[in-house]
Amino acid sequence: TQLLEQSPQFLSIQEGENLTVYCNSSSVFSSLQWYRQEPGEGPVLLVTVVTGGEVKKLKRLTFQFGDARKDSSLHITAAQPGDTGLYLCAGRTTSGTYKYIFGTGTRLKVLA
Amino acid sequence: DTEVTQTPKHLVMGMTNKKSLKCEQHMGHRAMYWYKQKAKKPPELMFVYSYEKLSINESVPSRFSPECPNSSLLNLHLHALQPEDSALYLCASSHPGRDRYNEQFFGPGTRLTVL
Repeated sequence: TQLLEQSPQFLSIQEGENLTVYCNSSSVFSSLQWYRQEPGEGPVLLVTVVTGGEVKKLKRLTFQFGDARKDSSLHITAAQPGDTGLYLCAGRTTSGTYKYIFGTGTRLKVLA
Repeated sequence: DTEVTQTPKHLVMGMTNKKSLKCEQHMGHRAMYWYKQKAKKPPELMFVYSYEKLSINESVPSRFSPECPNSSLLNLHLHALQPEDSALYLCASSHPGRDRYNEQFFGPGTRLTVL
């Protein structure tokens, strides 16, 4: 069974602080996606990383895919209250009927 | 256009009712998904359709019945549900197949309450 563990589970920080969220597995994924979800809404795709070691930046958010394509991280610089939400990583399986394995989620609250 | 639409947005039903959730996308995706999400948990995969054929059923009880009438539409028929089935039901779509650049896009969800 493929699992994706995210850490931390919860994070409450002040506006302007930096943070990193981790997404780890013992399995290899063909790609990894990061989503942000607001309460009662569907997850919104932030980024997809495909190549081992790949780094992608989206304004203040930096995403990295591990060299072995088993783990990923999301770093937010100078967090803002608008960054508050549930962050989910999802790994796409490498064979068979392709599906996405979701991480356990990280709930972020940024205080003004 | 990366929009997936879902109707209704909210649904309240009794345990003896029959209802359906609908999902539509016009991105040309040939893989469509149903997920169930309980509060403060990640989405749990229920069903995957690939080229309009059911390819994954994650041991979902038969009171949930999926249907993919064409490449743009996905339905979830509900019958004799239990209160514990109350959750946010999410539809998603992607291109199928082995391309690692395939991305999955979600709809806004249907909030289901079973009384």
